[in-house]
Amino acid sequence: GAGVSQSPRYKVTKRGQDVALRCDPISGHVSLYWYRQALGQGPEFLTYFNYEAQQDKSGLPNDRFSAERPEGSISTLTIQRTEQRDSAMYRCASSQRTGLTSSYEQYFGPGTRLTVT
Amino acid sequence: SQQGEEDPQALSIQEGENATMNCSYKTSINNLQWYRQNSGRGLVHLILIRSNEREKHSGRLRVTLDTSKKSSSLLITASRAADTASYFCATENTGRRALTFGSGTRLQVQP
Repeated sequence: GAGVSQSPRYKVTKRGQDVALRCDPISGHVSLYWYRQALGQGPEFLTYFNYEAQQDKSGLPNDRFSAERPEGSISTLTIQRTEQRDSAMYRCASSQRTGLTSSYEQYFGPGTRLTVT
Repeated sequence: SQQGEEDPQALSIQEGENATMNCSYKTSINNLQWYRQNSGRGLVHLILIRSNEREKHSGRLRVTLDTSKKSSSLLITASRAADTASYFCATENTGRRALTFGSGTRLQVQP
């Protein structure tokens, strides 16, 4: 079906406000990943889920960042008390990955451009 | 932190020429994936090569992987203006699902 979708595509918020970014993965994809991409750089890993379980959150920069995927499909990345340094493109990806040794492609969504003023 | 390092950082060629981009990494991997990004837009998956594979083809793309040297190369043959983009390699490191990206190679194909 359709690819990975993200909303909103653009978000401008004032410093100190909370924001919630949404990701809708490809139907049937088990794994969901969040990345952050600064201008001119490759994406950097934030966190990932298998089904509803958050398997790795080692890339979250601090405790203002959190993510959930309560029903194993749509995921929300929340940033509390935003700061200007949080401004970036936030990208979501999904894959069919389940097993420990299998390799599957990660397909990326269009991203949410977050600007904190 | 960035693991993959692409080389060169920028490449400009004429339409019809071949373009070669290289990627080096530091730790053991499950697989290596190449992506294309046009003008800061979406990341398009190009090809995945597993750690036990040495070469893979997809259309005009050829990817090689040398795990002993911890390096990979992406060759685009008979380039077109539409190939103008940034190309990223990303490694899935052993024991970790996350992809670690390099900083990318910016390819400019002159018509």
